[in-house]
Formats: sequence, structure tokens, C-alpha cells
Amino acid sequence: AQTVTQSQPEMSVQEAETVTLSCTYDTSESNYYLFWYKQPPSRQMILVIRQEAYKQQNATENRFSVNFQKAAKSFSLKISDSQLGDTAMYFCAFMKPPGGTSYGKLTFGQGTILTVHP
Amino acid sequence: DARVTQTPRHKVTEMGQEVTMRCQPILGHNTVFWYRQTMMQGLELLAYFRNRAPLDDSGMPKDRFSAEMPDATLATLKIQPSEPRDSAVYFCASGLAHSGQLVEKLFFGSGTQLSVL
Repeated sequence: AQTVTQSQPEMSVQEAETVTLSCTYDTSESNYYLFWYKQPPSRQMILVIRQEAYKQQNATENRFSVNFQKAAKSFSLKISDSQLGDTAMYFCAFMKPPGGTSYGKLTFGQGTILTVHP
Repeated sequence: DARVTQTPRHKVTEMGQEVTMRCQPILGHNTVFWYRQTMMQGLELLAYFRNRAPLDDSGMPKDRFSAEMPDATLATLKIQPSEPRDSAVYFCASGLAHSGQLVEKLFFGSGTQLSVL
């Protein structure tokens, strides 16, 4: 079974600065997908960024980028130019590739609460 | 914007009562998930439907929980009888998957916060 670990229960950053959230995972699969989701106080789960394991290039979405280290099974999220609206719980998640009944199922980490201070 | 709609947003009930949570997936999506979020366990998958057929409900306590999709526009999650340990936020998510293809994005509803007293 896959496991996802987020070792930072809470993080804080000043507005406009950069912060990195850590995530490690354990799997025997060679191909899979990794995600970061954001959950603001409204409870809505919002997809931030997605990485396909067979792609060596790190995914980026505007101010959000990842550092994907497949051998180390590490998938960190970097938020540049932090904004007050980035304050939220951030979840790292793993998805197995197509095939079998578990396909499409997300396994989540425990989450990291990020607070952006003015 | 298309979105996943969950009702009710909040539910307070007494132990032993039946609870029904509803989810309207995004029109055209063929994959529906039910997740439960608690402080202790985080986000856990309860059930998973593809084209209305249950594919995986191994995460769901079978004695009291049941999940169904009466039609493509409605998914339900029932708890009977409810217990205080069922108190959590229950999320529904939907996505579109073609044969052998990844569900590109999962869209989550806003969740139902359940409190069982």
C-alpha cells in the first residue's frame, strides 16, 4: 500500500516571501501521479499542481512549483511571492496509474497548515 | 462554473439516527469518490464509483455505511445507525475518466460536516 508523509504540521511565512512544503511517499510502483491540494478555511479542496512520475521536468503553475526527486521519493511544493490568500491546509496526494480497481484513488498525506502573515 | 454540490453542508444528529448525505457530481463526470476527513485520520477514501458501479468500498464500515448512485446525477452516503465516532467532514469528488485514462482532475464538493451527539 502507498503511504504519503508530510512531516511539517504547520508552517508560516511572511507575505511576498518563499516557502517550501515537504512531502515524501512510499510506493513500489514505477509510474504514478502526485498532487498538491489546497484546503482554505472554506473547506473546498482545490488542486494546486500535478506531477507525472515518468516526467523528469518539475511541474510549475504560476507561483507554485514542485521539486520532484523520484529516487528519494520526495515531492516538495514551493510557493513563491506568498500571498495572504495562500493561507490554507496543503495536502500532498498520490495516485496509482491506470489498471485495477484502485486506479483513480488518491492517498493523502496528513496535511500542512500554512499561514501567510502580512 | 461547474461544481460538485453536496447537501447538507452541516448536519447535527443524535446517536442512533440515520444520516443521509447527498452529492451531485459535475454533469458528464463518470467517476465519484466519497472521502472522510478527521483530525486523527486525515482524508480517507470510503467508496469509489465508476459509471455508477461501485469499484471499491473497502474503506467503508459495511455494517453501518452504504453508498449508492441511484442515477448519474446523484450519489448518496448513508449511515445507519450513526455513532459519535462518525463525526467528520464527508467529501464527495467527481472526475472524468476514459478507459485506461487518468482522471485528470478531481473536483471536490464543499463537504458535509457531520456531528453525532
